[in-house]
Amino acid sequence: DGGITQSPKYLFRKEGQNVTLSCEQNLNHDAMYWYRQDPGQGLRLIYYSQIVNDFQKGDIAEGYSVSREKKESFPLTVTSAQKNPTAFYLCASSLGGQAYNEQFFGPGTRLTVL
Amino acid sequence: KQEVTQIPAALSVPEGENLVLNCSFTDSAIYNLQWFRQDPGKGLTSLLLIQSSQREQTSGRLNASLDKSSGRSTLYIAASQPGDSATYLCAVGDYKLSFGAGTTVTVRA
Repeated sequence: DGGITQSPKYLFRKEGQNVTLSCEQNLNHDAMYWYRQDPGQGLRLIYYSQIVNDFQKGDIAEGYSVSREKKESFPLTVTSAQKNPTAFYLCASSLGGQAYNEQFFGPGTRLTVL
Repeated sequence: KQEVTQIPAALSVPEGENLVLNCSFTDSAIYNLQWFRQDPGKGLTSLLLIQSSQREQTSGRLNASLDKSSGRSTLYIAASQPGDSATYLCAVGDYKLSFGAGTTVTVRA
């Protein structure tokens, strides 16, 4: 089945730890995105990548880092510098960087700081 | 900066009633508008994508309209069913989307 997978579904982090969230897609999409969702708020863009080995900061990139070494993978690391990391993290992809391309989402990872 | 607003935040209707969900945005220079559905604790499911040159899109019981001049989009869901209960999100932009906070819909059997 074609789609986007995210792992783990739930993740717990202690203060001061870095954690990495996985996002994989087999849709052959060029563009991938990471969003954060907090209760009662819209999704906010953390990072996006329109092509392998290239990525740009979104609106709330501080305390996060990404890599894009393979077309199908776009992992997100939540560093200890992120002051309030508890949230629902969603990965998305689209066919390319064209303006009209539809974005498709994975099932999400819920991160909780203990 | 693009601001996207969805009012009301929550809506409850009896089964069979038509649903009307509103989305407004501040910058009319958008490339596309996308409507999503989100079930509790789940990811987003794309419902409809309207390109900036289009006025509406239809899929089954769903119809979405776009009026760029007034900065508004409306999602119509005909003959609502309990299975339509979810949060509906709209997003506007190009390859970077700006999201509204969503409208949570409950369809009562």
